[in-house]
Amino acid sequence: AQSVTQLDSQVPVFEEAPVELRCNYSSSVSVYLFWYVQYPNQGLQLLLKYLSGSTLVKGINGFEAEFNKSQTSFHLRKPSVHISDTAEYFCAVTQRGGFGNEKLTFGTGTRLTIIP
Amino acid sequence: DAGVIQSPRHEVTEMGQEVTLRCKPISGHNSLFWYRQTMMRGLELLIYFNNNVPIDDSGMPEDRFSAKMPNASFSTLKIQPSEPRDSAVYFCASSLGSPVGAFFGQGTRLTVV
Repeated sequence: AQSVTQLDSQVPVFEEAPVELRCNYSSSVSVYLFWYVQYPNQGLQLLLKYLSGSTLVKGINGFEAEFNKSQTSFHLRKPSVHISDTAEYFCAVTQRGGFGNEKLTFGTGTRLTIIP
Repeated sequence: DAGVIQSPRHEVTEMGQEVTLRCKPISGHNSLFWYRQTMMRGLELLIYFNNNVPIDDSGMPEDRFSAKMPNASFSTLKIQPSEPRDSAVYFCASSLGSPVGAFFGQGTRLTVV
């Protein structure tokens, strides 16, 4: 089984400042990692994913994340945030390969609030 | 593509009534997921279908909940009888496979009074 820990439930950041949202995972097998964003009253939208290869992955809206296997982390970053980035961000994991292993296990989410 | 389509977007019902939530996955996707989101428990997987067959229903809370996928383009989640603690946002998601990630619908906000 896998689990995901998002260490910060809320992160306030001033507009145009950088931000890092932290995510740690636990799994006895290899995993794929994802970040999703949820805007108010909306469904979840895929921001980016790590499958293999380069540990730095770039996603939509200027976000990027770095996979660190030794620290079992997959932190999300953006160098300069905008008001429109205000949303809830979810880290998720799924087991690599095998039948029936597609289900995503989500963290509890981090609410990012951008301060003008 | 229109994405994953869920209906209704909002549902208010009285305790004890039957509730049916509907989902149309993205065409060509072979996996479908039902998730529930609450403040207390976050996002929980209720059930997962692959090629219309239920693969994992370990998250279904109790016998009051049932889900079906009669064909590749339609799924339902039924709660009978509904209870106030079932109030939540229910999401349907579909996928082409694990590395791709899942695409979510807009959700159905269920309120049981």
